[in-house]
Amino acid sequence: GESVGLHLPTLSVQEGDNSIINCAYSNSASDYFIWYKQESGKGPQFIIDIRSNMDKRQGQRVTVLLNKTVKHLSLQIAATQPGDSAVYFCAENMGGATNKLIFGTGTLLAVQP
Amino acid sequence: DGGITQSPKYLFRKEGQNVTLSCEQNLNHDAMYWYRQDPGQGLRLIYYSQIVNDFQKGDIAEGYSVSREKKESFPLTVTSAQKNPTAFYLCASSRETGGPHTQYFGPGTRLTVL
Repeated sequence: GESVGLHLPTLSVQEGDNSIINCAYSNSASDYFIWYKQESGKGPQFIIDIRSNMDKRQGQRVTVLLNKTVKHLSLQIAATQPGDSAVYFCAENMGGATNKLIFGTGTLLAVQP
Repeated sequence: DGGITQSPKYLFRKEGQNVTLSCEQNLNHDAMYWYRQDPGQGLRLIYYSQIVNDFQKGDIAEGYSVSREKKESFPLTVTSAQKNPTAFYLCASSRETGGPHTQYFGPGTRLTVL
């Protein structure tokens, strides 16, 4: 899940297991959500997105679930691989005239071989 | 990093100096953004621009300035007024019209003040 401060929450999984990374978002009016993956020293990379009129969206090995009732977003990674090790951020689009995103603090996914 | 380039990758600055970070995109995106990232934290918005010759302050604009003279370029100047400029700076771009759009990021510039 998300937290404030210098210590990122960490999820440690075994290679081949499924991973679930959680995110609580802040604004019930947000209408678009994105998951990014950031490897050390690099820019965030788009993984998958979902609009607020959907509950679930699937990509290749990844699934995003949206629960608007409790303002919760999750990213599921199937058959986690060492290359999945990174920090994962969720971001919410607040809607309105701009395309501004609000980012969570991130979760570090550590995949053990 | 999808058609967005940032330079330099590493930048060192002495206290009291202004420095300019470059961001270029060839995605034909209307909107561009600058974020700052500190260790173990999320991204914070510095400035954004939805169209050429227009830009808006983000959440932490103090001590920074930008320009948007061309659609593909959005340079960020870190001025001497920025009290704690050491950070990882990320540029992003997106389409602007037709609803919410994904922002795509460049590889980042790590700025260190000596």
